[in-house]
Amino acid sequence: EPEVTQTPSHQVTQMGQEVILRCVPISNHLYFYWYRQILGQKVEFLVSFYNNEISEKSEIFDDQFSVERPDGSNFTLKIRSTKLEDSAMYFCASSNQMGASDTQYFGPGTRLTVL
Amino acid sequence: KNEVEQSPQNLTAQEGEFITINCSYSVGISALHWLQQHPGGGIVSLFMLSSGKKKHGRLIATINIQEKHSSLHITASHPRDSAVYICAVALNTGNQFYFGTGTSLTVIP
Repeated sequence: EPEVTQTPSHQVTQMGQEVILRCVPISNHLYFYWYRQILGQKVEFLVSFYNNEISEKSEIFDDQFSVERPDGSNFTLKIRSTKLEDSAMYFCASSNQMGASDTQYFGPGTRLTVL
Repeated sequence: KNEVEQSPQNLTAQEGEFITINCSYSVGISALHWLQQHPGGGIVSLFMLSSGKKKHGRLIATINIQEKHSSLHITASHPRDSAVYICAVALNTGNQFYFGTGTSLTVIP
């Protein structure tokens, strides 16, 4: 069964460094998402992406964040100048149709630790 | 801003029990999703609902749009059902999801 994959599974970085989290969505899906979950808290929406552009983003997704689909398979989340509070689990998801009307398939997550 | 409330926060059940988890939200939505988060952190989508009822195996999800309420039921619960169950809603106005805080379910053999 097709699945969403994410790399790395765990990333440790120093405060102020840039990180890139990578996702490979399911191949025929058109909509892509990033979510984060700070330890012990609820999952939060960051951004949705369709047709090579951001379709919606939350208040959390400020200028520190960017997303890109650099080729036909990868979907990346870049965090510039990481802060301690960026430590969280980051989930990528994809769907065939717009998220509200279709099942989203989640990747296993990348645990980001900012020291 | 939409608030998504789940109850109970924590639930412990004996194997075989019938389980109900509730979700309430405060504004109009286009769809509601039930998700399962395993102890290792992975998230699996269980149901997507915009009306009525859906059933998959021992899981049943219902939604009442007028009352802004949804329930997830597990029949004949099993220890492997132990997980966090999360309700997420998509607003009428967009593609953004709002998540509940989750219900942590433990099923004891």
